[in-house]
Amino acid sequence: AQSVTQLDSHVSVSEGTPVLLRCNYSSSYSPSLFWYVQHPNKGLQLLLKYTSAATLVKGINGFEAEFKKSETSFHLTKPSAHMSDAAEYFCVVKSNTGKLIFGQGTTLQVKP
Amino acid sequence: DGGITQSPKYLFRKEGQNVTLSCEQNLNHDAMYWYRQDPGQGLRLIYYSQIVNDFQKGDIAEGYSVSREKKESFPLTVTSAQKNPTAFYLCASSIVPGQGYTDTQYFGPGTRLTVL
Repeated sequence: AQSVTQLDSHVSVSEGTPVLLRCNYSSSYSPSLFWYVQHPNKGLQLLLKYTSAATLVKGINGFEAEFKKSETSFHLTKPSAHMSDAAEYFCVVKSNTGKLIFGQGTTLQVKP
Repeated sequence: DGGITQSPKYLFRKEGQNVTLSCEQNLNHDAMYWYRQDPGQGLRLIYYSQIVNDFQKGDIAEGYSVSREKKESFPLTVTSAQKNPTAFYLCASSIVPGQGYTDTQYFGPGTRLTVL
C-alpha cells in the first residue's frame, strides 16, 4: 500500500532564508508524487509533480523537489522564502488505482 | 476562463437538514472528485466519478450522496445522516487516470460548511 508522511507539521523561517519541507513516501512501485499548496480558505494549487522523468523537479514560484528513491523522499525546497509563501503544503502520492493519498500537511510560517 | 467553480463559498446548515454543494468544471475533464478537509488533516476522498452517470464511494462516503448527470457537474449532498458535517469541502477534476495522459487533479476554491 502507498502512504506519505510529512515529517514536520509546522515550519517557521525568516523571509529571504531557505525553505525545506520534508516528505517521505512508501510505495511498492515507481510512484507519481505531487506537492500542492493551500492558502487559507482556498483550494489546492499544484506546485510540482514527479512522474518518473527527471529526479529534480522544478515547480512554480521558485519551488523545486528532488525524488530520491534510495531515501524514499521527495522534499520540497526553495532558496529564498517570501512572505507570500506562508501557507499549508501537502505532499501527495498517487496510488496504483489512481487515488491520491495526502500527507497531513505542513504549515509554513514566514517571519519578516 | 477555464477552471473549477464551487458554490457557495460559505454555507450554514441546521442539524437535520440536507444540503447540496455545487461543483462545476469547464476543463472538459472526465473525472471529478469530492474531498473533505478537517483542521490539521490531509484531504479524505468522499466520492469520485470517472464518467457521466457513474460514481464510486471513496474512503468516507457514509452520510453523503452524489450525482453525475452532466460531464461538467458533480454536486455533493450532505445528508442528515452525516454525523460531523462541519468541514471544508473541495472538489477536483482530472483527465481519467490510466489513459497515458497527465492525470493531475485540479482543485476548486472549496466550500466551508458549518452546521449550527
